[in-house]
Amino acid sequence: EDQVTQSPEALRLQEGESSSLNCSYTVSGLRGLFWYRQDPGKGPEFLFTLYSAGEEKEKERLKATLTKKESFLHITAPKPEDSATYLCAVQDGRSYNTDKLIFGTGTRLQVFP
Amino acid sequence: EADIYQTPRYLVIGTGKKITLECSQTMGHDKMYWYQQDPGMELHLIHYSYGVNSTEKGDLSSESTVSRIRTEHFPLTLESARPSHTSQYLCASSRSTGYGQYFGPGTRLTVT
Repeated sequence: EDQVTQSPEALRLQEGESSSLNCSYTVSGLRGLFWYRQDPGKGPEFLFTLYSAGEEKEKERLKATLTKKESFLHITAPKPEDSATYLCAVQDGRSYNTDKLIFGTGTRLQVFP
Repeated sequence: EADIYQTPRYLVIGTGKKITLECSQTMGHDKMYWYQQDPGMELHLIHYSYGVNSTEKGDLSSESTVSRIRTEHFPLTLESARPSHTSQYLCASSRSTGYGQYFGPGTRLTVT
């Protein structure tokens, strides 16, 4: 059964303290792995798509990497405005035509000044 | 910039009422989706559409129905609301296979 597990569930960082969020997945033929940011009471905001092991994407203080079993979202020198829940989702080969995604439960990040 | 809209943003309604949650996108995306999300929980797909006149049920059983008469519009209807329907409903669309899905702001539904 396809599964996405994110860890830790919650993370508290001091401003400037770099860290990483983990997304482990088991799918039948990964077609894509997606990272989203979700603020309280809002819809998820698309951040990155990764397609193959070894691929990396960067955006401001965020960098996403992908291996055959997991993805990391590295946050360098975070600021309080980076506080949010970060969601990981995967698309497997069976859902190629529908774009159906399987979501993890997210990592709730809090960055304190 | 993603342009996908949902109305209402918040809705409190009594048991047994019929409600329609609206979702519109201006990006011309063929694929649209409805998700249900409870606090601290993962998103669950309840309906999706490949295009006009195409609708499918998602992975999570839902008593709601959807329609897709126009590309840009994908409303979700509950014929008789129940307290178990209390949740956040998120609409999304995507351009093509393998591209990210873009989400609307969500509708927070409370059934009393």
